[in-house]
Amino acid sequence: QQQVKQSPQSLIVQKGGISIINCAYENTAFDYFPWYQQFPGKGPALLIAIRPDVSEKKEGRFTISFNKSAKQFSLHIMDSQPGDSATYFCAASMNTGFQKLVFGTGTRLLVSP
Amino acid sequence: GAVVSQHPSRVICKSGTSVKIECRSLDFQATTMFWYRQFPKQSLMLMATSNEGSKATYEQGVEKDKFLINHASLTLSTLTVTSAHPEDSSFYICSATTAQETQYFGPGTRLLVL
Repeated sequence: QQQVKQSPQSLIVQKGGISIINCAYENTAFDYFPWYQQFPGKGPALLIAIRPDVSEKKEGRFTISFNKSAKQFSLHIMDSQPGDSATYFCAASMNTGFQKLVFGTGTRLLVSP
Repeated sequence: GAVVSQHPSRVICKSGTSVKIECRSLDFQATTMFWYRQFPKQSLMLMATSNEGSKATYEQGVEKDKFLINHASLTLSTLTVTSAHPEDSSFYICSATTAQETQYFGPGTRLLVL
C-alpha cells in the first residue's frame, strides 16, 4: 500500500514533442505528490509538486495532472528538449510523522534532437 | 535558496575502513534530514530519517550499527559507513526539509569500496 507505481520505465520522444509519465498509488493518506528530475551522477531536483485539492498544476513546460478518484497523477513535459533527457521520479508523502517520501521506480527520458 | 551540499562528492576507500559523509543545508534550517542509497539505474531507497538532537530512525533492513547517523545541528547531518565492504559501494544522497515538507536533495556522494 506504500508503493507508488511509475510507468513507462523508459521513454523516447522527439524534440518538440510531449513527454508523459504516469504514476499510481494506493494509500489514500498520501497528500503531497512531487516530481523530481535527476541527471546522471547528480542528486534529484524538485521539478513541480501538487496536492490533491487541485487537479492540475502548471509551471512553464511542466504540468502535473492529478486524478484523485483514480489515485493517479502524471507529468507532462511540453515542447520536450534534448536538455530534458534525464530520469524522472514521482513520489508521494503523507503530512504526518516525518513526511517520508515514497518514490516511484523512475522513468528514463531521452529526447532525440 | 534551499541548497543542500554534500561532502565529499566521491570517495574511494579500502575494505574495513570507515567513511564519513557530510550533509549540510546551506541557506535554511532543516528540521529533518534523510539519507538515501541509490544503486545504478534504480530508485532512491530511504535508509534513515534524522532530526536534530535525537536518534535517527532507520528503515527496515538497514543496519544502524553499520550506518551511523549524527544530526548535530539544524544544518548538519553526517552518515558514517563503518567497516565498509565492497557491497556498500553505492551512491548516497541526503535530503533536508523544513516544516514546509519539500525535500531538497544534495548532489550525492559516490562511494567505492575496494
